[in-house]
Amino acid sequence: DAKTTQPTSMDCAEGRAANLPCNHSTISGNEYVYWYRQIHSQGPQYIIHGLKNNETNEMASLIITEDRKSSTLILPHATLRDTAVYYCIVNPSGNQFYFGTGTSLTVIP
Amino acid sequence: SQTIHQWPATLVQPVGSPLSLECTVEGTSNPNLYWYRQAAGRGLQLLFYSVGIGQISSEVPQNLSASRPQDRQFILSSKKLLLSDSGFYLCAVRPEIWGQSYNEQFFGPGTRLTVL
Repeated sequence: DAKTTQPTSMDCAEGRAANLPCNHSTISGNEYVYWYRQIHSQGPQYIIHGLKNNETNEMASLIITEDRKSSTLILPHATLRDTAVYYCIVNPSGNQFYFGTGTSLTVIP
Repeated sequence: SQTIHQWPATLVQPVGSPLSLECTVEGTSNPNLYWYRQAAGRGLQLLFYSVGIGQISSEVPQNLSASRPQDRQFILSSKKLLLSDSGFYLCAVRPEIWGQSYNEQFFGPGTRLTVL
């Protein structure tokens, strides 16, 4: 019952910025946007989350549009180790996360 | 920071056999705990979550059950496994550290279950 839509797959050249889009047109005012990624055969890894403002940490930047109906996760300098499935989730509380199928990002040498 | 232990890492079980998967957490108290399942080639499905000892919420009707006998212990069980129970089982924690609840969930290494 994911409330987000993401492209199925994307490629990115190593060293370039990877921009992963997510649409969440029905997002409620109290729902955060979370991003996780899952490298093959491992558990998902938290990346970043935000409510209204753009956020940046050591892993990535999160750009949320002013109407909050979409967001973009930016990996500024993609490496081969960033190859993974990236999940965008909206949730008000951090409970009951519903993961969709995500975007499979392949970083190409 | 919190540490999440899951065992076993891999398991092969025959149809109709019982199941017990264990998850324990260190580095936090009074966490919210979660069980997810990922079938081959699929996304993660939330199975159960718990906000405290003995408190279990089930997200989907199924052949599985969960229990939380201690604050930092979460167990996933089945009396009789089905072929469709095969998958990658992940335990997650939403920690509370120094009285502050975190919005993020952190995942364990997972248990890969194959039912034959």
